[in-house]
Amino acid sequence: EAQVTQNPRYLITVTGKKLTVTCSQNMNHEYMSWYRQDPGLGLRQIYYSMNVEVTDKGDVPEGYKVSRKEKRNFPLILESPSPNQTSLYFCASRINREGGYTFGSGTRLTVV
Amino acid sequence: AQSVSQHNHHVILSEAASLELGCNYSYGGTVNLFWYVQYPGQHLQLLLKYFSGDPLVKGIKGFEAEFIKSKFSFNLRKPSVQWSDTAEYFCAGYSSNTGKLIFGQGTTLQVKP
Repeated sequence: EAQVTQNPRYLITVTGKKLTVTCSQNMNHEYMSWYRQDPGLGLRQIYYSMNVEVTDKGDVPEGYKVSRKEKRNFPLILESPSPNQTSLYFCASRINREGGYTFGSGTRLTVV
Repeated sequence: AQSVSQHNHHVILSEAASLELGCNYSYGGTVNLFWYVQYPGQHLQLLLKYFSGDPLVKGIKGFEAEFIKSKFSFNLRKPSVQWSDTAEYFCAGYSSNTGKLIFGQGTTLQVKP
């Protein structure tokens, strides 16, 4: 089944403790992206990647890092999480620039 | 700056009522437009998309949308909603000028049985 898989689905952590949210797609898509979803703000792009070793900042990149060492994986790293990063995170991939995104199931992160 | 706006933040309808959710975009270049649906507790799913050609686009679950270039709009419609359509709906647009896919703020639809 074609899908985008994120892990974990739920995560509660403490301020400053580094964490990684994994994302993997099995559709051989070139483009991958991370979004955060907050009430009243819709989805805001954190980082995106157009191909292996090519990443770029989205609209809200502060406090996040990503890497794209392989085509299928695009992990999101929070080196020192803070409470304002409490949010619902979605990974997504698409086959090309114009295509629609396929989304993962989401990761609900709480930073206390 | 490019943007996608959804006028209605919260819509409440009774079953069998007709639905129209507004979406406007403000950027140039080639425009590709999408509507996504997010059911409670789930991820976003693509309802329909417009790239070119017939401005009236039909999607899944009986939804359709019309691209009106002169009004910069891409409104979502459904003739008769069901309780199962209760969800959050997001309009999104891709601009060839920037290469970015931008989402609107979302519209929460509540359908009363």
